Amino acid sequence: RKEVEQDPGPFNVPEGATVAFNCTYSNSASQSFFWYRQDCRKEPKLLMSVYSSGNEDGRFTAQLNRASQYISLLIRDSKLSDSATYLCVVMSSGYSTLTFGKGTMLLVSP
Amino acid sequence: GAGVSQSPSNKVTEKGKDVELRCDPISGHTALYWYRQSLGQGLEFLIYFQGNSAPDKSGLPSDRFSAERTGGSVSTLTIQRTQQEDSAVYLCASSLNSRGKTQYFGPGTRLLVL
Repeated sequence: RKEVEQDPGPFNVPEGATVAFNCTYSNSASQSFFWYRQDCRKEPKLLMSVYSSGNEDGRFTAQLNRASQYISLLIRDSKLSDSATYLCVVMSSGYSTLTFGKGTMLLVSP
Repeated sequence: GAGVSQSPSNKVTEKGKDVELRCDPISGHTALYWYRQSLGQGLEFLIYFQGNSAPDKSGLPSDRFSAERTGGSVSTLTIQRTQQEDSAVYLCASSLNSRGKTQYFGPGTRLLVL
């Protein structure tokens, strides 16, 4: 089983739609969780951290289920500018090496 | 302030040649990371530095790969006797310290081995 698994997509949605991405991780000792965003031919940038209680940042909501080792990202009212690849990222115990999923591609169309 | 910078931005080399990739982390960041992203693949961890020491080199794919960091700042990733499968984008990231959860990435070096 891969350490961090994501559906590669692409997810094609119209502007204004709500879309959700899921991610599973295999290391039960993982301590911290993130969603990064990567635009085409650009470097990854932190979108948001994921907390056990769930957290929201504007149109973005992240959830963590430690028992199921599952992370989700919900995007409401999609914008054209949301088109990107969303990377699920896990930090294991010890120092802060990140393990990345392969990403889920989102395409928002007019 | 200035972000993470990497050079060169693009590198084309012939199989068998050595290449050096450079990373300038954000000033004051003590932790530095190298990753590799191949076409259609996720980011692959290569090596981590805390200060000038590398506690984790487990991601280096072969002994042709090495990295060093001097003065707690600039890092160089060296690939000897390059192979075509080394073609990828090499990304450097830095964080404030080893407990820093936010890693800031540089723009990467696109390496093409012919």
